[in-house]
Amino acid sequence: EAEVAQSPRYKITEKSQAVAFWCDPISGHATLYWYRQILGQGPELLVQFQDESVVDDSQLPKDRFSAERLKGVDSTLKIQPAELGDSAMYLCASSVTGTGGPEQYFGPGTRLTVT
Amino acid sequence: AQTVTQSQPEMSVQEAETVTLSCTYDTSESDYYLFWYKQPPSRQMILVIRQEAYKQQNATENRFSVNFQKAAKSFSLKISDSQLGDAAMYFCAYRSQETSYDKVIFGPGTSLSVIP
Repeated sequence: EAEVAQSPRYKITEKSQAVAFWCDPISGHATLYWYRQILGQGPELLVQFQDESVVDDSQLPKDRFSAERLKGVDSTLKIQPAELGDSAMYLCASSVTGTGGPEQYFGPGTRLTVT
Repeated sequence: AQTVTQSQPEMSVQEAETVTLSCTYDTSESDYYLFWYKQPPSRQMILVIRQEAYKQQNATENRFSVNFQKAAKSFSLKISDSQLGDAAMYFCAYRSQETSYDKVIFGPGTSLSVIP
C-alpha cells in the first residue's frame, strides 16, 4: 500500500541552526500539506501546496520558515534559524483533489527537538 | 472562519464497552466533509471514518459509527466493543468544499484510554 514518506524521523538541533525536513507524498496526490503538531494538540497547518503552487501559507512564520515543492512531487520544509519554540512534530500529508477522495494520508512525522 | 471544537480532552472506557467522543464545528457553508482521525502513541495518523455533509445517513465502519447532526453542527464518534488498540488521540476534522482549495481544520483532540 502506498504511503507518505518523511525523513528524518527524529532531529535534534541547536538553537540558531538550520534544519530541513523532506516529504514524498503518495504518487498522484496533487495536494500536499505540512503541519506542526505540539504534543497533545491538534495539527496546525503551516503550508499547503496544490501541485507546485502554494495555496495557503497564512500560518507559516515566513521570517524563518520556507517550503518548496519544485516539481509538484516531493517537498522540503526548512527552518532557519531554529528557535526553542519550534520543538514539535512536523507532519506531512497528501490528498487527491476532486472526486478522488477527500481524506488525507499522513506520513510518520519528523520529531524536532531544539536545544 | 470555520472552527472545530472537541470538549473532552481525555476520555476512558472499559474494554468491550462503548464510548462516544464529541465534536462540534462552526461553519456557514452547506457542503463539506467531516472526518475522525486516530493517532496512536508514536504512530502515524490514520483515517477512522468520514461523513459527507449532503448525506443524511450516518457513516459506519465496523465498530466505529458517527452521529451527524447537521443543524446542530455536531459530529460525534461512537466506538463499540472497545479494544486495547483503540487507545489513541482522536481528532475531528472539517474539510471545506466551498473554497478554491481543500482547506482542512482539525480540532484539539481527545485522548482515549482503554482500561483492560
